Amino acid sequence: AQKITQTQPGMFVQEKEAVTLDCTYDTSDQSYGLFWYKQPSSGEMIFLIYQGSYDEQNATEGRYSLNFQKARKSANLVISASQLGDSAMYFCAMREGINYGQNFVFGPGTRLSVLP
Amino acid sequence: GAVVSQHPSRVICKSGTSVKIECRSLDFQATTMFWYRQFPKQSLMLMATSNEGSKATYEQGVEKDKFLINHASLTLSTLTVTSAHPEDSSFYICSARDKAGENSPLHFGNGTRLTVT
Repeated sequence: AQKITQTQPGMFVQEKEAVTLDCTYDTSDQSYGLFWYKQPSSGEMIFLIYQGSYDEQNATEGRYSLNFQKARKSANLVISASQLGDSAMYFCAMREGINYGQNFVFGPGTRLSVLP
Repeated sequence: GAVVSQHPSRVICKSGTSVKIECRSLDFQATTMFWYRQFPKQSLMLMATSNEGSKATYEQGVEKDKFLINHASLTLSTLTVTSAHPEDSSFYICSARDKAGENSPLHFGNGTRLTVT
C-alpha cells in the first residue's frame, strides 16, 4: 500500500495566487516526520518545510506553510503568492521513527506550473 | 551548512563499461547515505542504504552485483554501475542527514544523469 499519496499529478496556478498541494500519508507509528521537497527541472532536491507528528502548530517557512491535519493524516503544502520560479515538481515525504538511518518514503509528486 | 556534493553531474558511457558516481558530505559526517534512482516524471526510488564501514542494504529487486556501493569513510559513498546497459540510463541521486533528530531533513546531492549508449 502507498504510504504517501499525492493525488494531483499536475497543478496550475496564476502568478501571485496561492496554491495547495495535497499529501496524505499512512503510518501506524506515533513518531514521524513529514517533509516537502521541491525539484526544479535541473534535478536537485530542495528541502522546503518540516512538520513533526507531535507538533501542535502548523509549520511555516516564508511563503510555505503546511496544513497539518493529523486525524485525517494529511499534510498539505500551501504556497502563497506564487512566483514563476515555483514551477517544479513537489514531493511529500515521510520519515517513520526517529532513527538517524531511517529512510524517507516519497510520494509520486505533483508538478506545479505557475502561469504569468 | 549540510552540503552534499555528487559527481559527476552527467555522464555518457558505452554499453558494457562501468561508471562510478561519488557522493560526498562536505561539512558533516554521514554514517548513512541513501542512493535513489529516478525515472523521468516519476518519484525517487530507493535503491540502497549505504552504511559506513559495512555492507550496503539493497532494496528488493536491486541487483547488488550490478550496483556496487562502497561507503569507505564518513564523508564518501560511491555507487558503481557495472557493465552498464541502456536500461541503466537514469537519474541517480544520493542523500544523507547531517544529524539525528526528528526535524533533520535529508540533504541531497545534485544528482547524476547517466546515459548508456
